[in-house]
Amino acid sequence: EAGVAQSPRYKIIEKRQSVAFWCNPISGHATLYWYQQILGQGPKLLIQFQNNGVVDDSQLPKDRFSAERLKGVDSTLKIQPAKLEDSAVYLCASSLDRSGTDTQYFGPGTRLTVL
Amino acid sequence: AQSVTQLGSHVSVSEGALVLLRCNYSSSVPPYLFWYVQYPNQGLQLLLKYTSAATLVKGINGFEAEFKKSETSFHLTKPSAHMSDAAEYFCAVSMNSGYSTLTFGKGTMLLVSP
Repeated sequence: EAGVAQSPRYKIIEKRQSVAFWCNPISGHATLYWYQQILGQGPKLLIQFQNNGVVDDSQLPKDRFSAERLKGVDSTLKIQPAKLEDSAVYLCASSLDRSGTDTQYFGPGTRLTVL
Repeated sequence: AQSVTQLGSHVSVSEGALVLLRCNYSSSVPPYLFWYVQYPNQGLQLLLKYTSAATLVKGINGFEAEFKKSETSFHLTKPSAHMSDAAEYFCAVSMNSGYSTLTFGKGTMLLVSP
């Protein structure tokens, strides 16, 4: 079974530029998550989708971050404009459903460096 | 609200020694608890999870954890460390009510010396 795919793996940009990350979840998984993991910290949930609808985006900085999940499969996360403090690893995860017991499967992440 | 505290940002053990990684949680309702492992430049992988069944949970790679409600703890143990166990370990909590999101601790880096 193929895992969660993410691209690119690494990205370096200058502040005020824009950047986009792509995620392809495990086939059949209805729930998709984007996390931000700053160095030395645990992952923090940015946004959660159930199929193509947003379930939780309470911690997403909506003035600069946006995300979409077209057709309930792939998802993109965009930052525009980027700030220095956005330097982090962005992890995508998916699960069969959104129950609190469901296992979340994580992709390898995209490491973003903002200069 | 829910939160997780992992005591010790780094833990060092010798190969063959007992591994003990500590996790305490705070939750207003009975929680679900998880341990994930992260190897360098990789995503997180589930080690084990507690979902209100047996309080002693066995996971992959010889790890286990015990849910202790009285101590609000979910410590991770392994009887004998292996060099390949060197990684970062994250404890996470979700609420036992409907759907819920994971809240992670800050992580503990396990260092294993020969």
